[in-house]
Amino acid sequence: GAGVSQSPSNKVTEKGKDVELRCDPISGHTALYWYRQSLGQGLEFLIYFQGNSAPDKSGLPSDRFSAERTGGSVSTLTIQRTQQEDSAVYLCAIISMQTQYFGPGTRLLVL
Amino acid sequence: RKEVEQDPGPFNVPEGATVAFNCTYSNSASQSFFWYRQDCRKEPKLLMSVYSSGNEDGRFTAQLNRASQYISLLIRDSKLSDSATYLCVVSRLSGSARQLTFGSGTQLTVLP
Repeated sequence: GAGVSQSPSNKVTEKGKDVELRCDPISGHTALYWYRQSLGQGLEFLIYFQGNSAPDKSGLPSDRFSAERTGGSVSTLTIQRTQQEDSAVYLCAIISMQTQYFGPGTRLLVL
Repeated sequence: RKEVEQDPGPFNVPEGATVAFNCTYSNSASQSFFWYRQDCRKEPKLLMSVYSSGNEDGRFTAQLNRASQYISLLIRDSKLSDSATYLCVVSRLSGSARQLTFGSGTQLTVLP
């Protein structure tokens, strides 16, 4: 919604594999957020990018999680050595007019 | 204590009923307030901002009490299509970053 696409929409992987999730916002939004939402739970902040500033990584749950944003646009969230507890919906969001607009999310299932 | 607390519900109400959701926040530095709606297996979408003077959008009325750090959402004449999870969101600036904190949501089911 509102100019944020995410891929893949669904991902099933085996425990221990690495996964890469992609967020592609429309251009012109300097702020980009990643959240995680486990089944029946609220949104858990993961990481925040703002322009050329160092990202706020304070929400990343472990060092298996990393994210980057290339060229101030596309962002990728990488989870290494996935665990079953990583299963969740991973949502990317941008800020526009002081409110957040979310992408459709990637549903990750770790078997 | 969570920074944003909501009654998780579920609220099951008949069509046409009026229903109210409450939310409290703990960080007095919070500056902006919102209600988001999230349908099952969908991303959250902005429902409405919340202003100190209170604001209304059709059947929806939002109120903010900064002194009590309390936010509310009132839905009048509820429709089946109002069934969703309603997320209370507070926003503040942390340095140059805008931090948004989400409540866990209140689940509403409107019954025919």
